[in-house]
Amino acid sequence: AQSVTQLDSHVSVSEGTPVLLRCNYSSSYSPSLFWYVQHPNKGLQLLLKYTSAATLVKGINGFEAEFKKSETSFHLTKPSAHMSDAAEYFCVVTPPLFGNEKLTFGTGTRLTIIP
Amino acid sequence: DTGVSQNPRHKITKRGQNVTFRCDPISEHNRLYWYRQTLGQGPEFLTYFQNEAQLEKSRLLSDRFSAERPKGSFSTLEIQRTEQGDSAMYLCASRGGVAGAPRDTQYFGPGTRLTVL
Repeated sequence: AQSVTQLDSHVSVSEGTPVLLRCNYSSSYSPSLFWYVQHPNKGLQLLLKYTSAATLVKGINGFEAEFKKSETSFHLTKPSAHMSDAAEYFCVVTPPLFGNEKLTFGTGTRLTIIP
Repeated sequence: DTGVSQNPRHKITKRGQNVTFRCDPISEHNRLYWYRQTLGQGPEFLTYFQNEAQLEKSRLLSDRFSAERPKGSFSTLEIQRTEQGDSAMYLCASRGGVAGAPRDTQYFGPGTRLTVL
């Protein structure tokens, strides 16, 4: 079985400062990992995904995440926050070999940007 | 807009009534998924289809829930005898790819918000 733990339910940062959203995973196998973002009244959008190639994954809107097997972590970062980044962020894990038929979501981190 | 559409976007019903939701996936996608998201939680997997075949159902999917994808295109999720605990956002996702291509992306629709009074 696989699971993810998002370590912070709410993160607040000032506009222009770095963003760090933390995620630890648990998986019997080398997993596939994703970050999705959910803006109010909008569908879930894929930010980035780790597919066992490069451990540093770049996504949309300046976000990136680093897969660290030794720490079982997949933290999401962005160098400089923008007001439009305010949203709910979900870390997601899925088994690597059989198709991502069942995404397992974390409980989410709400990101607030302070003007 | 991901290309996955869901209708209705909002549904308010009284306890005990039946409701049906529709999902139209991206046209070339053969896999379709249903998830449920309650307030303050991440989405939870309910079931998925490959073409018209329902291949997996979560234990969350009680006997009151049924999902169909009769022609391998759109899907419906029906809840019979709704309960207040069914109030949630119901999300649909689709993806393409074939078996052995495990890392294709699931694209989500905007969801149907169900409120059971």
